[in-house]
Amino acid sequence: GAVVSQHPSRVICKSGTSVKIECRSLDFQATTMFWYRQFPKQSLMLMATSNEGSKATYEQGVEKDKFLINHASLTLSTLTVTSAHPEDSSFYICSAQGGTPRLAFTDTQYFGPGTRLTVL
Amino acid sequence: DAKTTQPPSMDCAEGRAANLPCNHSTISGNEYVYWYRQIHSQGPQYIIHGLKNNETNEMASLIITEDRKSSTLILPHATLRDTAVYYCIVRVAGNTGKLIFGQGTTLQVKP
Repeated sequence: GAVVSQHPSRVICKSGTSVKIECRSLDFQATTMFWYRQFPKQSLMLMATSNEGSKATYEQGVEKDKFLINHASLTLSTLTVTSAHPEDSSFYICSAQGGTPRLAFTDTQYFGPGTRLTVL
Repeated sequence: DAKTTQPPSMDCAEGRAANLPCNHSTISGNEYVYWYRQIHSQGPQYIIHGLKNNETNEMASLIITEDRKSSTLILPHATLRDTAVYYCIVRVAGNTGKLIFGQGTTLQVKP
């Protein structure tokens, strides 16, 4: 149980284009999903928190108009990097937590495998 | 959320127990201790968490001191596949409890 998937696993795009990353909880309904970013040799940095049907809450310094988050259902959240530039190249990771069916630890975050974004 | 302090790196011989320490001297009464690990180029994997009692599951054991100011993650029989960065995080339970990742401990299991 508690499997989270991400798609795509890798994406290469040209500067100025937009990229959408999907995060799905496969065997549970996630009340909350989180998006993180990780640069090489650095730790994970939380970008935003989203609850189903609500606007995402962004961490300080994260541009909400650049990183659009949609949490349309209890099993799907999407992150769209708009007008991507080379400095947006990073490893993007989502996590999910929630309670239906009731997991042993509903407050535990389970992570996806990550998406490697390269902007040329 | 309280901060944690971990050694930057540790080595362990394959087949031996790996004991990873974590200091969290400013932990609050309603904060849990969580452990995750991240194998290179993958998303973090949940290992175990606890509040004040020692915990054990199929992956590891978590020993929390009585004053809750420190804890130790124990991998009883480390294998090469346990080589990873291990993160100790303290977090308030509930949906608003963020996970703030520090630098973690890089565990190298050697044959």
